[in-house]
Amino acid sequence: QVHLVESGGGVVQPGRSLRLSCVASGFSFVSYGFHWVRQAPGKGLEWVAVISSDGENKYYADTVKGRFTVSRDTPKSTLYLQMDSLRIEDAAVYYCATVDRTEGTPLDWGPGTLVTVSS
Amino acid sequence: DIQMTQSPSTLSASVGDGVTITCRASQHINKWLAWYQQKPGKAPNILIYKASTLQSGVPSRFSGSGSRTEFTLTISSLQPDDFATYYCLQYLTYPYTFGQGTKVEI
Repeated sequence: QVHLVESGGGVVQPGRSLRLSCVASGFSFVSYGFHWVRQAPGKGLEWVAVISSDGENKYYADTVKGRFTVSRDTPKSTLYLQMDSLRIEDAAVYYCATVDRTEGTPLDWGPGTLVTVSS
Repeated sequence: DIQMTQSPSTLSASVGDGVTITCRASQHINKWLAWYQQKPGKAPNILIYKASTLQSGVPSRFSGSGSRTEFTLTISSLQPDDFATYYCLQYLTYPYTFGQGTKVEI
């Protein structure tokens, strides 16, 4: 049974950095790619980034390209999102989700972690 | 980037009603469209992929149709558990993009 838990959220000042983690269990971590999707308070869903199962391929939304970096640590079954140069508009709940191996869609999701960007 | 436009943004309905939500893509996406349901404080849950294929475990009152640029999600008879926000997602190409969402309320 797929289980994803995000952590690392909190309050951070604009311009600072934060690293989110997503610990996976209940399935073969190495077999899956992962998405990051975020949702600002009271707003809709925004796709953020994806990393392939082997970690070789990564894609980003234009809004975070050059500032955010997605990575994975197989021995720890953990996905990361390094967020640098944070902006007010990056404040959101951040979700990790598995990549459906047939369709590529976000399939199984974690409960999310809240990032607040405020001075 | 491909823009996804959903309508309406809010939909008021009653239990037993049939409702339809529309999603338009700014360019052809063939059938690379998914629909998600999200309840307050929870992560989204996929309902439909490839425009019309029901995800395993999703009730048959949900259906999807469309191709190229125009897509619809239909709920044939609203149940109390269906009052939620619905999003379309294009997954033809990265960056993936969601529609703005449709809140289905009582």
